[in-house]
Formats: sequence, structure tokens, C-alpha cells
Amino acid sequence: ETGVTQSPTHLIKTRGQQVTLRCSSQSGHNTVSWYQQALGQGPQFIFQYYREEENGRGNFPPRFSGLQFPNYSSELNVNALELDDSALYLCASSPGLAVDSNEQFFGPGTRLTVL
Amino acid sequence: GNSVTQMEGPVTLSEEAFLTINCTYTATGYPSLFWYVQYPGEGLQLLLKATKADDKGSNKGFEATYRKETTSFHLEKGSVQVSDSAVYFCALSDRGGGSYIPTFGRGTSLIVHP
Repeated sequence: ETGVTQSPTHLIKTRGQQVTLRCSSQSGHNTVSWYQQALGQGPQFIFQYYREEENGRGNFPPRFSGLQFPNYSSELNVNALELDDSALYLCASSPGLAVDSNEQFFGPGTRLTVL
Repeated sequence: GNSVTQMEGPVTLSEEAFLTINCTYTATGYPSLFWYVQYPGEGLQLLLKATKADDKGSNKGFEATYRKETTSFHLEKGSVQVSDSAVYFCALSDRGGGSYIPTFGRGTSLIVHP
């Protein structure tokens, strides 16, 4: 069974640029969530996708957007990058929407640095 | 809004010492509670969970009891090992307004010395 994978591992961008991060969910999982983890902080929920539709969004501006594909893989897009967007971006998948009982499986993350 | 507060770290212990990491929460609904662990260089892993009041979650010698009256979910282990050194995150999930919004604490670093 393949776990959650993310690409790229590391990324360096400059202010104002756009970035796309990718996530492959664990086999059989139809729900993907994205988190931003700043250094020394806990993960902050960005949004969640269930069967290709956004289902829940945290306190992030519209320049953070996402997609989920029919194979349940997902992308996180960030436009007009700011210095404060520098963080570890985590993807997590789960086998359904009932996340109060379903475990989330996290990927290793993508480290984004904005200069 | 929802929030999770964890004790500040790092927590430094000797091997075989007793561990407590405090976690309290604020939620509008009836959340499920979780502890996640993040080992150096790795992603978060679920350690244990509890879905309703008075439930006890346990795994790998760690335990935490969902205390609704004190809105707490403290993590305990009777005898820590060097391999338990990691960052521990308390989290809740609450289906507020029909959408799922998970909330994590800031994390508590645990360092265990031989």
C-alpha cells in the first residue's frame, strides 16, 4: 500500500510568483486536506477536497486555491507569493469525510521558501 | 472559534521518567480529539484519538482521556524512551456549520535523554 506522497520536496520562489504543489493520496482515500505549517507552529488547515469538490476552508485568502482530480490526487496553487507563505505544506488523505472517526494520513510535506 | 492550547516545550526528561503533556481546547460543538506525533524529518502520524467524553485513547504506551468538564485531553506515558523524542501535537475536529475544520495546537517538543 503506497502512502501519501508530495512533490516537490523543496521549492524556492520569489515574491509575486505562483507555485503549484502536488499530492497523491493513499490508495482508497477520496478525501484530501492541505495544511500550512510555519516553523515552530502547528499545522493550519487550508482546505479539504472530497470527491473533487472543496468541502471546508480555513482562514486563507483566495490566492490559495486547489483542485482534486478523478484519481483523488490533488494540487495546491498559491498566487502572488508573499514572504509569509514560506512554510512546510502538508497534504493528508483519509478514506472518507467522517474525519472524526477516520484517521488522516500525512505526507512528508513540501518545504516552500519565498525570497 | 475553536482553539487548542498545549504546554510550552521543550519538555526534557530522562529515560523511564513519567510524561505528561497538557492540552486544553475550546470548541463550539462536540469535537473529536487527537494526538499526533512528528518524528524528526517525517510527516505527522496519528498517535491516539477519542471521539466522545470520557473515552480513553491509547497507543504505544501513551494514553489520553477526553475530559469534557475540564475541556482537556492530556497526553501521558508511564515510562518514556529515547525513541519517543519528537514533537507532539494535540488537535480537534469539529463539524461546525456543516464543514470539517480541524484545529491543531502549536506542538510540544519532547527530548528524552538516556
